[in-house]
Amino acid sequence: GAGVSQTPSNKVTEKGKYVELRCDPISGHTALYWYRQSLGQGPEFLIYFQGTGAADDSGLPNDRFFAVRPEGSVSTLKIQRTERGDSAVYLCASSLSGTGMGYTFGSGTRLTVV
Amino acid sequence: GDSVTQMEGPVTLSEEAFLTINCTYTATGYPSLFWYVQYPGEGLQLLLKATKADDKGSNKGFEATYRKETTSFHLEKGSVQVSDSAVYFCALSDLGGGSEKLVFGKGTKLTVNP
Repeated sequence: GAGVSQTPSNKVTEKGKYVELRCDPISGHTALYWYRQSLGQGPEFLIYFQGTGAADDSGLPNDRFFAVRPEGSVSTLKIQRTERGDSAVYLCASSLSGTGMGYTFGSGTRLTVV
Repeated sequence: GDSVTQMEGPVTLSEEAFLTINCTYTATGYPSLFWYVQYPGEGLQLLLKATKADDKGSNKGFEATYRKETTSFHLEKGSVQVSDSAVYFCALSDLGGGSEKLVFGKGTKLTVNP
């Protein structure tokens, strides 16, 4: 596609529920990243995929968070047993890997846990 | 670990005023440096970048110079417009660490009044 697409744009869920957030990267971009942006803060790195594999998952806060990219394109970020502190904007970005020249970000999914 | 410190906002200027947003960084390797911008209701966009010492990134009248001796990458614009109102994020990427993840500052909100 022309840009990075994230769905849904907004998600409200109850504490304890499971959620899935989807990211559709730019066609041909092999690198995909997930970030979390809390109110008034800069984005914080969660996980980086190179193709189908997670090359760096050092930013995942705990084992309730998991992400997959089974075919090297679309990625899903999964959050189990959601907590109110998980409320944030979850950003996805993609790039041609190895350039270090910056990514293209999606518009994000605003997750609210009530 | 790597970190970015940027000038706290908010910053309010009149149209045609001079803008400086300070950014300093700490990195174990030799990072690439970026400024991203987030306009109201939109996703993060790459504004400019620099990959080595003394490089100057520029775009849309904004400039920033990679200063290794002072570990800084200050953003400047000679004459701001109302349309420049946005949140600006300084970021670094240290490819030497094996991952292309970005480390962001907290962001600086700029409001330009007519």
